[in-house]
Amino acid sequence: DTAVSQTPKYLVTQMGNDKSIKCEQNLGHDTMYWYKQDSKKFLKIMFSYNNKELIINETVPNRFSPKSPDKAHLNLHINSLELGDSAVYFCASSQNALGGDTQYFGPGTRLTVL
Amino acid sequence: DQQVKQNSPSLSVQEGRISILNCDYTNSMFDYFLWYKKYPAEGPTFLISISSIKDKNEDGRFTVFLNKSAKHLSLHIVPSQPGDSAVYFCAMIQGGSQGNLIFGKGTKLSVKP
Repeated sequence: DTAVSQTPKYLVTQMGNDKSIKCEQNLGHDTMYWYKQDSKKFLKIMFSYNNKELIINETVPNRFSPKSPDKAHLNLHINSLELGDSAVYFCASSQNALGGDTQYFGPGTRLTVL
Repeated sequence: DQQVKQNSPSLSVQEGRISILNCDYTNSMFDYFLWYKKYPAEGPTFLISISSIKDKNEDGRFTVFLNKSAKHLSLHIVPSQPGDSAVYFCAMIQGGSQGNLIFGKGTKLSVKP
């Protein structure tokens, strides 16, 4: 059973479109995250939700809107896609938001904006 | 401004020998340190961690060393195996930061048979 799953795995779309990436975890964790790995290979946190509430919101354009319908899901919606949004997006989860909690990552979604 | 640096983008090691991966950081407030391993087209997988109150943690072939005064973290893999070939990321977190992991850029390890 996949612990943290993301769909789709690949997403190719035109500039200006709106798209969503879904994430689900079956680990019973309270905290979920979205990370972006850009072309320079840095993995940077974008958002973190604990029990469906936003607890981390790094400097991310407001075109990106996370939505957590329940503790097991954290979806990422992106409006008006730009070329610079092309990256690999990773979802992750941890038992809670304490510093020592291991984060478990999904397989990633490679977004290509043309 | 990079708080976490992995200065070697790649490392090649012979099977059976030791692999040493290094990571430097600037933020003295980090108090928990982790290593993740990543295969192509997969997400990072947790490997081993260490808290700031320790200087060494061992798990099988993997040992993590922390030198707080030098702000230096390293991962030793002994003996190295071809299946260890992957990208290794160090990551660190500040207590109370609510899960905000800061990652290095990664080092690609190739273990040759």
